[in-house]
Amino acid sequence: AAGVIQSPRHLIKEKRETATLKCYPIPRHDTVYWYQQGPGQDPQFLISFYEKMQSDKGSIPDRFSAQQFSDYHSELNMSSLELGDSALYFCASSFLGRADTQYFGPGTRLTVL
Amino acid sequence: AQTVTQSQPEMSVQEAETVTLSCTYDTSENNYYLFWYKQPPSRQMILVIRQEAYKQQNATENRFSVNFQKAAKSFSLKISDSQLGDTAMYFCAFMSVGDGTASKLTFGTGTRLQVTL
Repeated sequence: AAGVIQSPRHLIKEKRETATLKCYPIPRHDTVYWYQQGPGQDPQFLISFYEKMQSDKGSIPDRFSAQQFSDYHSELNMSSLELGDSALYFCASSFLGRADTQYFGPGTRLTVL
Repeated sequence: AQTVTQSQPEMSVQEAETVTLSCTYDTSENNYYLFWYKQPPSRQMILVIRQEAYKQQNATENRFSVNFQKAAKSFSLKISDSQLGDTAMYFCAFMSVGDGTASKLTFGTGTRLQVTL
């Protein structure tokens, strides 16, 4: 079965640079979630989109923005990167938004030097 | 706001034995789902099992089963016939079933399970 696709899988950036993470949900899934997992921590919710509209927002820095496109893929844009942004970024998708299981992609490991 | 607590940072079990991971949560809501996710060394987040709060019957998936105590807000995971491949971090997660909007997952801090020979 098709799974959530994330690209790139690994990304190395310098401080103050910009990064773009991409997420392709499972076919027919219309909802995308982004989570950040720091070293030794549990995943923290950043933002979600349902039918291409932002549906919820968590502890996402103002330096980050995201959107969901007409084909339901999503991009997380991160600017003015800081050392503390180094983490594993997960995208998850679900069907019909509410009350459904979220399936996770393999994650993008971002390292900020 | 919901909180999820996993009080066992690390556990160890021998192969073929049974182990139970604990999870408690706090919420004022009546309609929600609970999940266990597994994160092996590859860091992939893998769904293990799901429990709907409105269901009284405990969910089972092969060797994995839960003990859901709604009044006590407890949601433990039992792994039977443990296998080396079960070695992973296990996260308990809560999801509110709201009014039609996408619902985030709130995770516990995880329990690291080591299966030994």
